[in-house]
Amino acid sequence: TQLLEQSPQFLSIQEGENLTVYCNSSSVFSSLQWYRQEPGEGPVLLVTVVTGGEVKKLKRLTFQFGDARKDSSLHITAAQPGDTGLYLCARSGYALNFGKGTSLLVTP
Amino acid sequence: SQTIHQWPATLVQPVGSPLSLECTVEGTSNPNLYWYRQAAGRGLQLLFYSVGIGQISSEVPQNLSASRPQDRQFILSSKKLLLSDSGFYLCACAALSSYEQYFGPGTRLTVT
Repeated sequence: TQLLEQSPQFLSIQEGENLTVYCNSSSVFSSLQWYRQEPGEGPVLLVTVVTGGEVKKLKRLTFQFGDARKDSSLHITAAQPGDTGLYLCARSGYALNFGKGTSLLVTP
Repeated sequence: SQTIHQWPATLVQPVGSPLSLECTVEGTSNPNLYWYRQAAGRGLQLLFYSVGIGQISSEVPQNLSASRPQDRQFILSSKKLLLSDSGFYLCACAALSSYEQYFGPGTRLTVT
């Protein structure tokens, strides 16, 4: 199983701050997905990126796929308490290969 | 859009007891179905996946098994639970030829 490294593991910030979390691999992704999971619930798909260099925006969230398709980042602008959760990246395949996630806490 | 149901939502079982977790899917036909386990709120570990009725692939050797008796029904079972089976079990589905998976609400299993 090819490993996905997510960083940081934990992030605690105040409302209004910006943040970036990362997902890296030593091998090329065919495509990559980002999920957000709230405590006690299943992950919810946020975005799928396919093309190297691709940038997708979802309200205050900006997702970028590296040119070489080995890494991706998620940037949140003006974080809100509702952004709190576990952010998971996953490599697409016959089944998803997940990273361990970044646990984000946004305090008022 | 598809809806995934899982039950029970929570379960506390003693070591050595049997297990049956059920997942049903609405809103799609011939989906690929998956069972994942998540420990301590971290990454998801794929346990089983199925591309059709009666077709099960296992990713991790363990005392768990899975079955797909109907197109949109996926069952996770064990004959004798171990303490290490505790965790958050998630069922997911994906449309045929799609990589985008959609997850159910999960079952929290505690083995005591």
